[in-house]
Amino acid sequence: DADVTQTPRNRITKTGKRIMLECSQTKGHDRMYWYRQDPGLGLRLIYYSFDVKDINKGEISDGYSVSRQAQAKFSLSLESAIPNQTALYFCATSDGYGELFFGEGSRLTVL
Amino acid sequence: GENVEQHPSTLSVQEGDSAVIKCTYSDSASNYFPWYKQELGKGPQLIIDIRSNVGEKKDQRIAVTLNKTAKHFSLHITETQPEDSAVYFCAATPNTGGFKTIFGAGTRLFVKA
Repeated sequence: DADVTQTPRNRITKTGKRIMLECSQTKGHDRMYWYRQDPGLGLRLIYYSFDVKDINKGEISDGYSVSRQAQAKFSLSLESAIPNQTALYFCATSDGYGELFFGEGSRLTVL
Repeated sequence: GENVEQHPSTLSVQEGDSAVIKCTYSDSASNYFPWYKQELGKGPQLIIDIRSNVGEKKDQRIAVTLNKTAKHFSLHITETQPEDSAVYFCAATPNTGGFKTIFGAGTRLFVKA
């Protein structure tokens, strides 16, 4: 099984719908992140969390919210999805020493 | 804040040739420079990293060089193989916590057999 698991892997939804992307990890890391990947833009940080009680905005948090339900679980929500949120979303973890461990991604299409 | 520029956006080489990807960064406080490889349908995976107290690091066919004065760092892949075909991302961060990691836009490498 993957160390960082994302669900769903693919989702198609309509404008205005609420969407939740879930992430769970078995690496035992305290730090978890949500990134968004768009062609030609690399990976951009949406939110990050250093522990269950610590949530921080990244560079592109508008239109998104997160919940850290446990050390191993970090979910990303789009309260009212819009087409320009169509992207590939990645969850990642780290132990604070540098390397980020990514999940396999959740492809979201907003029609 | 930090800005990382990566070139080229696409690179095509013949199997066995070398490939070089270059990145520049803007924040002189950056001191950790990882490189990630993303295969089709997968998440990015660290392949090599370098810290600011080191000028060069090598791991088999992969090497990274860092010039802190000029604020640029490069990935070198020698004797390329078809399985090296992927998207490569450089990144820079002023710490190892990950939360200030800024990624380049990525380079799509094609290795032709």
